[in-house]
Amino acid sequence: NAGVTQTPKFRILKIGQSMTLQCTQDMNHNYMYWYRQDPGMGLKLIYYSVGAGITDKGEVPNGYNVSRSTTEDFPLRLELAAPSQTSVYFCASTPRDRGYEQYFGPGTRLTVT
Amino acid sequence: AQSVAQPEDQVNVAEGNPLTVKCTYSVSGNPYLFWYVQYPNRGLQFLLKYITGDNLVKGSYGFEAEFNKSQTSFHLKKPSALVSDSALYFCALYTGGFKTIFGAGTRLFVKA
Repeated sequence: NAGVTQTPKFRILKIGQSMTLQCTQDMNHNYMYWYRQDPGMGLKLIYYSVGAGITDKGEVPNGYNVSRSTTEDFPLRLELAAPSQTSVYFCASTPRDRGYEQYFGPGTRLTVT
Repeated sequence: AQSVAQPEDQVNVAEGNPLTVKCTYSVSGNPYLFWYVQYPNRGLQFLLKYITGDNLVKGSYGFEAEFNKSQTSFHLKKPSALVSDSALYFCALYTGGFKTIFGAGTRLFVKA
């Protein structure tokens, strides 16, 4: 049982490039989340999903897109990378019956220059 | 508005001394409160939670937290700090609708 996995661990992008951050969970959790973590700011919710085919915006969705075609996968897409998107990105999931219990992936450190 | 605050950016404590990391919250209704720990280059790990019941909650690695409704606080405590406890600690409030608000984090330094 690997839990929540994320790839890549690190990435450097040039301004205007695009990329997809991958997230997979093997716990059959219905709910999945993407957060970004900036120093001194805690975690901000970017997007979340309550099940396959259903996604919704969080607190800071601009510049990002998501999809949820399966229960296991919840990729985050950056279309036109900007320096403001330099951050550490965490994926998390929660089970349906304990929606408050978050399981986090190890994170992706993204730098946009 | 629902919120959670960690008033200290950093807490310094000597090994073997007791430690406290502070958290206050604002919520309408009964709070679901959590503490998470983040070690360098790692994701957040769950430490403990308060949903209902005893005001003193025990969690992983010898940590405990005291829920105080009148002071709207949920401080994290440990009787004897270890150098290995040095990490970033987040207080979090579950707001319902499968959403959680995280505090800004408190960095704990334990000196040998």
